[in-house]
Amino acid sequence: AQKVTQAQTEISVVEKEDVTLDCVYETRDTTYYLFWYKQPPSGELVFLIRRNSFDEQNEISGRYSWNFQKSTSSFNFTITASQVVDSAVYFCALLGGTYKYIFGTGTRLKVLA
Amino acid sequence: DVKVTQSSRYLVKRTGEKVFLECVQDMDHENMFWYRQDPGLGLRLIYFSYDVKMKEKGDIPEGYSVSREKKERFSLILESASTNQTSMYLCASSPHRDRGRGAFFGQGTRLTVV
Repeated sequence: AQKVTQAQTEISVVEKEDVTLDCVYETRDTTYYLFWYKQPPSGELVFLIRRNSFDEQNEISGRYSWNFQKSTSSFNFTITASQVVDSAVYFCALLGGTYKYIFGTGTRLKVLA
Repeated sequence: DVKVTQSSRYLVKRTGEKVFLECVQDMDHENMFWYRQDPGLGLRLIYFSYDVKMKEKGDIPEGYSVSREKKERFSLILESASTNQTSMYLCASSPHRDRGRGAFFGQGTRLTVV
């Protein structure tokens, strides 16, 4: 079975704090992809990053960074120096051997000014 | 600019009505999806289509049907709307090849059944 767990339902931080969103996945596939999406209040899911199972390099893009660890089946997302515009719901997703994306339940991030 | 467009942002329908949610994509993607999003439950797959006229049930297909007569268009049909179908509906598309590109989403339709 494939599963994505985002244990943090809601996180509140004060602007400029760093915050890490956790994502743990389960799959028996050897080839798979992991994704993070952002859903602002407007509703549309916006793609942030993808990782394939053979690439465990961490990635940094501006204030965003991602830590992929196959040993712990985790793909965590860190926002450095958070801003109010980062307030959104963030989803982690898994694509295994089929064409179906498995989403976590999402983490609502509130960044307070 | 690639796009997935859903026909309505907000929709209010009466119980028992037949409801059509339309989705169009301009990326020539083979795969199209309908998800339902509810608080605390994340995105749940209703139906999936991997080609014209081809469809596959997702995790929660009961009360829904779909139609894909053209590659770019995927319709979700609520045969007889009920109040428990009040939700946010999200359409997405993705390519067969280059699976790692991910899925592209529409802006969502917030449906209220009264």
